[in-house]
Amino acid sequence: NAGVMQNPRHLVRRRGQEARLRCSPMKGHSHVYWYRQLPEEGLKFMVYLQKENIIDESGMPKERFSAEFPKEGPSILRIQQVVRGDSAAYFCASSPLNSDLDEQFFGPGTRLTVL
Amino acid sequence: GQQVMQIPQYQHVQEGEDFTTYCNSSTTLSNIQWYKQRPGGHPVFLIQLVKSGEVKKQKRLTFQFGEAKKNSSLHITATQTTDVGTYFCAGPQTGANNLFFGTGTRLTVIP
Repeated sequence: NAGVMQNPRHLVRRRGQEARLRCSPMKGHSHVYWYRQLPEEGLKFMVYLQKENIIDESGMPKERFSAEFPKEGPSILRIQQVVRGDSAAYFCASSPLNSDLDEQFFGPGTRLTVL
Repeated sequence: GQQVMQIPQYQHVQEGEDFTTYCNSSTTLSNIQWYKQRPGGHPVFLIQLVKSGEVKKQKRLTFQFGEAKKNSSLHITATQTTDVGTYFCAGPQTGANNLFFGTGTRLTVIP
């Protein structure tokens, strides 16, 4: 049973470009969470999705950031017109049910560097 | 707003010494989870505590959930170099559908 997969593992973008981060949850998991971790800091929740639905996006910046989890394929976190402050590790996590009793399984992360 | 603070922020110990990190929430938590993140790695689930006053052990690690369900601790006995990493506590965010992570404690073990 493969774990949570994220790609790319490392992504370098110039200011103004778009970044697309992909996440495939564990098999059987239908809940996906995206977190951002700035260097030397903790994890900050961004968005929670189920298939074809955004359940909670309270942690998403209002502009330039969007997320989706289509019926087929991975969840995608998109950052448009990246700025240096977007440089961070972006982790995806999945769980089988949305219950606050469930552990979350994290992917290896995508390290985004904006030049 | 909801806050989950951990102390200390950093801890350096000699191999073989004990280590404790404390987690304090501004709100009562239905449960608390602990994660470990190795340098350059991703968070890995360690344990979940649900009951008031609950204590759980995993080999050299002892986890405790406070009676008021607002604080928790992780104690490592006789640290080893493999214990190096950042330890995060996390609880359900109030009124939301996600985990709220603590600030983390970074442990360095000196051989």
